[in-house]
Amino acid sequence: AQRVTQPEKLLSVFKGAPVELKCNYSYSGSPELFWYVQYSRQRLQLLLRHISRESIKGFTADLNKGETSFHLKKPFAQEEDSAMYYCALSGESGGSNYKLTFGKGTLLTVNP
Amino acid sequence: GAVVSQHPSWVICKSGTSVKIECRSLDFQATTMFWYRQFPKQSLMLMATSNEGSKATYEQGVEKDKFLINHASLTLSTLTVTSAHPEDSSFYICSARRTSRGYNEQFFGPGTRLTVL
Repeated sequence: AQRVTQPEKLLSVFKGAPVELKCNYSYSGSPELFWYVQYSRQRLQLLLRHISRESIKGFTADLNKGETSFHLKKPFAQEEDSAMYYCALSGESGGSNYKLTFGKGTLLTVNP
Repeated sequence: GAVVSQHPSWVICKSGTSVKIECRSLDFQATTMFWYRQFPKQSLMLMATSNEGSKATYEQGVEKDKFLINHASLTLSTLTVTSAHPEDSSFYICSARRTSRGYNEQFFGPGTRLTVL
């Protein structure tokens, strides 16, 4: 069974401070990991996927298979980063299991 | 590109009636769409996977006769909540997987808020 754990329900930081949103997963094969963001009153949108190894809006996330983690990081948080962040997992790329399993989400608040 | 729409954005109905929610991929084809349910301040819970031209696959605990899914074309999936009751009140969200890409790229609709009186 696939499972995603986001241990922090709420995270509050000050503007300019580093931020790390934790995500751990459980999956027997090679998963695809994603971070989705939901700004207030907006739809869910993809922020990062691990296979792209890209930085979006200053956020990065590295897949650590040894620790089964995919933590989201940003060195200097901005107020506009305040949102709900969801870590999600799906089965092997190219396989038939494309469904996403979401963590419970972390509400990030960046204070001025 | 890659926009997913849902209609209606909100609906209020009486207990016992049925409500249909549409999910459309506006500028791409989607052989697979997904339906989620989101309770206030909670995460998305996958209800079912909708496959074009075949029966939907429901997650454990989701009543298929209660939540009817039809994926009649590559751009449209519908979710019908049959004989709705107040406990069915929720935010329903669909996502569509872009078929043209090899990896799992999904785009989400804005959601439909259902209130059953």
